[in-house]
Amino acid sequence: EAGVAQSPRYKIIEKRQSVAFWCNPISGHATLYWYQQILGQGPKLLIQFQNNGVVDDSQLPKDRFSAERLKGVDSTLKIQPAKLEDSAVYLCASSLAGHQETQYFGPGTRLLVL
Amino acid sequence: AQSVAQPEDQVNVAEGNPLTVKCTYSVSGNPYLFWYVQYPNRGLQFLLKYITGDNLVKGSYGFEAEFNKSQTSFHLKKPSALVSDSALYFCAVRDWDNAGNMLTFGGGTRLMVKP
Repeated sequence: EAGVAQSPRYKIIEKRQSVAFWCNPISGHATLYWYQQILGQGPKLLIQFQNNGVVDDSQLPKDRFSAERLKGVDSTLKIQPAKLEDSAVYLCASSLAGHQETQYFGPGTRLLVL
Repeated sequence: AQSVAQPEDQVNVAEGNPLTVKCTYSVSGNPYLFWYVQYPNRGLQFLLKYITGDNLVKGSYGFEAEFNKSQTSFHLKKPSALVSDSALYFCAVRDWDNAGNMLTFGGGTRLMVKP
């Protein structure tokens, strides 16, 4: 079974530029999550989708971050404009529906904002 | 609000010795508890979870964890450590009484197993 796919794996941009990350979840997983993991910290949830609807985006900085999952499968996360403090690893995870289900994580995209 | 504490930034253990990585949690309702491992430049890999039932949960690679409700703890254990177990370990909690179902992670504990 293929895992969660993410691209790109690495990205370096200058502050005030925009960047987009892509995630393809495990086939059949209705729930998709984006996390931000700053160096030395645990992952922090940014947004959770159930199919193509947003379940929780309470920790998403909506002035600069946006995410979509238009067809209920793959998803994109965008930052515009980027700030230095956005440097982090962005992790995508997916799970079956149901809150006791295990989340499975992709390899992440490492973003460096200069 | 829910939270997870991993009190040790790093745990050092000799190969072949038992290891324990500590985790305590706080939720308003009943907890779902998870352990994940992260190797360098990799995403998080699921090890085990506690939902209900037996307090001792067995997971991947010989790891196990014990749920202790009175101490609000979910420590990760392995009887005999391997050098290849060296990695970053994260404990996470979700409140199953909370409709939001957000998974909250601890800050991580780096496990170093020396030959």
